[in-house]
Formats: sequence, structure tokens, C-alpha cells
Amino acid sequence: EVVMTQSPATLSVSPGERATLSCRASQSISSSLAWYQQKPGQAPRLLIYGASTRATGIPARFSGSGSGTEFTLTISSLQSEDFAVYYCQQYNNWPPISFGQGTRLEIK
Amino acid sequence: VQLQESGPGLVRPSETLSLTCTVSGGSFSSSYWAWIRQPPGKGLEWIAYVSYTGIRNYNPSLESRVTIDTSENQLSLRLSSVTAADTAVYYCARLYGLVVWAFDIWGPGTVVTVSS
Repeated sequence: EVVMTQSPATLSVSPGERATLSCRASQSISSSLAWYQQKPGQAPRLLIYGASTRATGIPARFSGSGSGTEFTLTISSLQSEDFAVYYCQQYNNWPPISFGQGTRLEIK
Repeated sequence: VQLQESGPGLVRPSETLSLTCTVSGGSFSSSYWAWIRQPPGKGLEWIAYVSYTGIRNYNPSLESRVTIDTSENQLSLRLSSVTAADTAVYYCARLYGLVVWAFDIWGPGTVVTVSS
């Protein structure tokens, strides 16, 4: 099973600043990585797939990078609606399709 | 496309959890569909996926207890011999594609509590 590890567990950033979230895979997953945003009481929303392709309707301030075992989600200028929990998910080596444990992005 | 989960909110320990997801506004037969769950305050766990043609794949950690199926514009989940550890929000979701195994459309989720 591919284990996905996200860091940090919690990230405190001020509105307007840049946020960088990390995700590491226990083995190479090529570029088979997705990122999701989840707000309290809501289902996750797909942000990025293929490590760097934004899903439909996702603002350009969200960008993804990386391949192999190291991945990054960057939010270039944080808006109030961006404070949420973010999950990465791999789909290269499965079953099982596996998620990271999440990074909580909070207002500083 | 919209997804809506439904089913009992309370299940007794050792019994079987049964949920249904109704898909509307799109082509059910052209996509793969999945169940994912999230225990209170915890992360996401993929349970299984199914296609309209009956192709299935299960999380090995749950495979012995899970049955997933489709009919008309619905997919179903049955999880047997439940314990408190199965308490979670259960989501149904659409798989984006046969190359990109990410989940692009989700239902709002349904809360299932396992308790006597």
C-alpha cells in the first residue's frame, strides 16, 4: 500500500500571503496525484489532478507541482475562502486508492 | 451531475450497513462510481468503486465485508458486521476517468453512527 504523508499538519498563514503544502508518497507514484479542499460540513472538492492540472472552475491561484514521491500544492495569495483542510490522494498504485491525513490551513 | 446518499443514520453493532446513492443529471452508464468514508475528525478512506458494467474494486482492508452494486441510476453499499470503527460520514463520488482515478463529483455525504 502506498502511504501518503502530508506536512505540516496545520499551517497558519495570513490572508494575501502564499501557502505551500507538501505531500510525500512512500513509493514513486509518477504524477498520479490529486489535491482536494474540504470545508467544515462539506464534501471534498477536487482541485488538482495529474499533480499539476487544475480541475474545472478552480482559480489560477491554486497550483500543483512534483512527481515521483514529492508533491506541493501552492496557493499564491490566500483568500478568506481558502482556509480549509487539504488532502492529497494517489492513484498510481492501487488498490487501495489512498489519501494523506490532511493539512489544516488556518488564518494567522 | 448530482449525487445524493441515503440510508439509516443509526446501525447496531454486528449488523449490516446499507446505503444508496442516487445519480441525477448525467450519464450513469459512462462513469465509474465510488464510496469513500470519513470517520469523525479524521481523514478520507476509499472503500470501493464500481462501473455500470459491473467492474468492481475494493479496499483490501474492507473487502471481506463490503458489497457494492449498481442499478438504474443508483449505486449501493453494504458493509457487514459493523463496529463503532465504522462510524463515519459516507460519501459517494464519481471517478473522473479511467486514467485519472480522482473523484471529481461528490455527494453531500450521509452520517452513519454504529451504536447499540
